[in-house]
Amino acid sequence: SAVISQKPSRDICQRGTSLTIQCQVDSQVTMMFWYRQQPGQSLTLIATANQGSEATYESGFVIDKFPISRPNLTFSTLTVSNMSPEDSSIYLCSVGGTGNQPQHFGDGTRLSIL
Amino acid sequence: GENVEQHPSTLSVQEGDSAVIKCTYSDSASNYFPWYKQELGKRPQLIIDIRSNVGEKKDQRIAVTLNKTAKHFSLHITETQPEDSAVYFCAASGSNDYKLSFGAGTTVTVRA
Repeated sequence: SAVISQKPSRDICQRGTSLTIQCQVDSQVTMMFWYRQQPGQSLTLIATANQGSEATYESGFVIDKFPISRPNLTFSTLTVSNMSPEDSSIYLCSVGGTGNQPQHFGDGTRLSIL
Repeated sequence: GENVEQHPSTLSVQEGDSAVIKCTYSDSASNYFPWYKQELGKRPQLIIDIRSNVGEKKDQRIAVTLNKTAKHFSLHITETQPEDSAVYFCAASGSNDYKLSFGAGTTVTVRA
């Protein structure tokens, strides 16, 4: 399976600031996804990162809060904007899902907002 | 959208016994059902998956069964070992968008 690298692995941020998380894959992939995992909870899909077009957001998530870029088939970024303590979560990117390819996850970014 | 329910939320088993986790899904169009294992502080890792054209799949001590009519699928772990202790998530997706909807997770503890 593809090697997925996420940066940063963790960060502590002040409320009101923004943080950009990077997801790099070692091979070209069609589908990239961003998930949120709140403390002790399951994974919730934020959006599908589409190469060359705007991301597709799930209900409850908006572009102004979670802008996403996908400049090519190996890289995507998720920005968490104007952060509040409620944004403290693990943010994970995943790749795959088309054809017979299962989805695999990066190590995640553990974000704490003070 | 798809709604996946998972039971039980916690499961404690004696080493060597079997563990069974059950999930139900709501969207009859869903056709792909993966299971992920997440150890503390680690990424979710795919352990087994099944597609809707198959009723059962096995990989060593792990097996998954699917009942499309009843819209439920189950994970079976036999001969449990302490390293099986983790949180297990079931998920479901359809063929059109590949988006995964996850169950709430089951915390499995294997007692030595």
